[in-house]
Amino acid sequence: SQQGEEDPQALSIQEGENATMNCSYKTSINNLQWYRQNSGRGLVHLILIRSNEREKHSGRLRVTLDTSKKSSSLLITASRAADTASYFCATANTGGFKTIFGAGTRLFVKA
Amino acid sequence: DVKVTQSSRYLVKRTGEKVFLECVQDMDHENMFWYRQDPGLGLRLIYFSYDVKMKEKGDIPEGYSVSREKKERFSLILESASTNQTSMYLCASSSRYRRESGNTIYFGEGSWLTVV
Repeated sequence: SQQGEEDPQALSIQEGENATMNCSYKTSINNLQWYRQNSGRGLVHLILIRSNEREKHSGRLRVTLDTSKKSSSLLITASRAADTASYFCATANTGGFKTIFGAGTRLFVKA
Repeated sequence: DVKVTQSSRYLVKRTGEKVFLECVQDMDHENMFWYRQDPGLGLRLIYFSYDVKMKEKGDIPEGYSVSREKKERFSLILESASTNQTSMYLCASSSRYRRESGNTIYFGEGSWLTVV
């Protein structure tokens, strides 16, 4: 079964708006990561948040982590057409090396 | 800049053919992975390797094998390709020493395999 489950499955917004994607997971984790995938390409790492962190920023990205609810959110502020892509959360279990990816959120930003 | 290179971007093979997908990374990473990605199913781990000559089954190893003879190279082998193996295959690598990078995984651009 999937460890990370993203919500929503798809999101369509206007350029300049903020985009929020959520991820839920089931077991204890060391860290949670967000990746981006442009259509037909490989995944690119965006940001990592460790289990003892609650919030992290990187440019227009803001990630939160709530370990009590086993959930994370990715916020992209002032979105651009170039942000159109699929976004995946990935979790690495405590004590393990195996990283598990969710099914992803497809974001479409209209110019 | 980190790089994971997959040898073939697009392949078309016939049912029953033996298929090799090659992957090379230049980051001296210990861990290497093969995933397949299908619409609606996300990324599924086929095999991974922690070190040279070591391999571990992932979630969907059936119909696949792997080879890791050198640290930088990880090959995926389809012994007898079938149409249900038509998919996008992603190779990836990561460092075993997580202090700096966590479990950050670096991906190749993917190989689109069509089995006819």
